[in-house]
Amino acid sequence: DAGVIQSPRHEVTEMGQEVTLRCKPISGHNSLFWYRQTMMRGLELLIYFNNNVPIDDSGMPEDRFSAKMPNASFSTLKIQPSEPRDSAVYFCASSEDGAEAFFGQGTRLTVV
Amino acid sequence: AQSVTQLGSHVSVSEGALVLLRCNYSSSVPPYLFWYVQYPNQGLQLLLKYTSAATLVKGINGFEAEFKKSETSFHLTKPSAHMSDAAEYFCAVSPGSNYKLTFGKGTLLTVNP
Repeated sequence: DAGVIQSPRHEVTEMGQEVTLRCKPISGHNSLFWYRQTMMRGLELLIYFNNNVPIDDSGMPEDRFSAKMPNASFSTLKIQPSEPRDSAVYFCASSEDGAEAFFGQGTRLTVV
Repeated sequence: AQSVTQLGSHVSVSEGALVLLRCNYSSSVPPYLFWYVQYPNQGLQLLLKYTSAATLVKGINGFEAEFKKSETSFHLTKPSAHMSDAAEYFCAVSPGSNYKLTFGKGTLLTVNP
């Protein structure tokens, strides 16, 4: 398996624009997680899906952030409108019930 | 609720020396504990995990960690550091098997020749 695949690897956008980050989990994994990593706050869990259903979105910072998982092989994290403080590395991870999470290589987002 | 404290944001050792990275946790339920490593511009890779079986856990690349309930600790050790061990290390806790991880702030390990 190719592992968790995230796209794009790097994204630079202007403030106010919509940004969509994409994730393909490992085949057969039924849990998916979106994390954000910043120097100030470290790694924070944004949202957690199980069997394509959002279980816990308490980490989503505000209404500008939304996440979907339309099927078992794809998830998106959308920021609309984006702001400079959203600049961070966003990681997607997936796991199979009772097993550890595997992380993608991340998307480095810069909002200017 | 769960939390993790990693003591020391930066640890520097000489090649061949002992590596000790400290992690203390807080959990309202029996925890699962993890150490992940992150190399520059990469994702996180699992080093080892504790899931309520043996308290001394061996991982990849010669690392091991010991779960000490009385001290609420899960320190990571390696007897002899290698240059390739230079990276950032994260301790994490989850409330059992749902693997919703709470991470520590990370410890940057530098290995000097």
